[in-house]
Amino acid sequence: KQEVTQIPAALSVPEGENLVLNCSFTDSAIYNLQWFRQDPGKGLTSLLLIQSSQREQTSGRLNASLDKSSGRSTLYIAASQPGDSATYLCAVRPSLGTASKLTFGTGTRLQVTL
Amino acid sequence: DARVTQTPRHKVTEMGQEVTMRCQPILGHNTVFWYRQTMMQGLELLAYFRNRAPLDDSGMPKDRFSAEMPDATLATLKIQPSEPRDSAVYFCASGLTLNTEAFFGQGTRLTVV
Repeated sequence: KQEVTQIPAALSVPEGENLVLNCSFTDSAIYNLQWFRQDPGKGLTSLLLIQSSQREQTSGRLNASLDKSSGRSTLYIAASQPGDSATYLCAVRPSLGTASKLTFGTGTRLQVTL
Repeated sequence: DARVTQTPRHKVTEMGQEVTMRCQPILGHNTVFWYRQTMMQGLELLAYFRNRAPLDDSGMPKDRFSAEMPDATLATLKIQPSEPRDSAVYFCASGLTLNTEAFFGQGTRLTVV
């Protein structure tokens, strides 16, 4: 059974810092991995989707990397801003041929302070 | 502005009552997912559909939960009878296919008292 872990559970950084969020998964047979952000009381917003054949994906100040063999992904946020404060979730999808279930991590709650 | 729309946003009901949650997926998306989010369990997949056909509903308590897609623009999740332990935020998500990017709605926050 796939298990997804995100460390740390919570993180507080001053504005302007670069930061890295970690996601690890136990079963490396994944099809893709998706990073989301969730604001309090809101739904999930997709940030980046990275296919198993890719090493990284970039969108603006965000960069996601994937090391499938070691079961790890990182989300790098450059020059953090207070508006980046949210919970960040990673989710993995198993390889084709099996049930297409996104398995979510428990999230990292990020606070960017002024 | 294509997005997944869920109604109602909030629902408070008494134990034993029927609850129906609705979802309008993004037009053209053929895959719809229902998730439940709680503090204790995080996000759990309840069921998902492809081309309106249920593919997997093993995450749902079958005795009280049911999920349907009457047409391509509407997915429903019903709980009958509802129990306090069903209190959670229920999310609907849709995607172009089973394995492409999933887009989530704003959720229905259900409180069963």
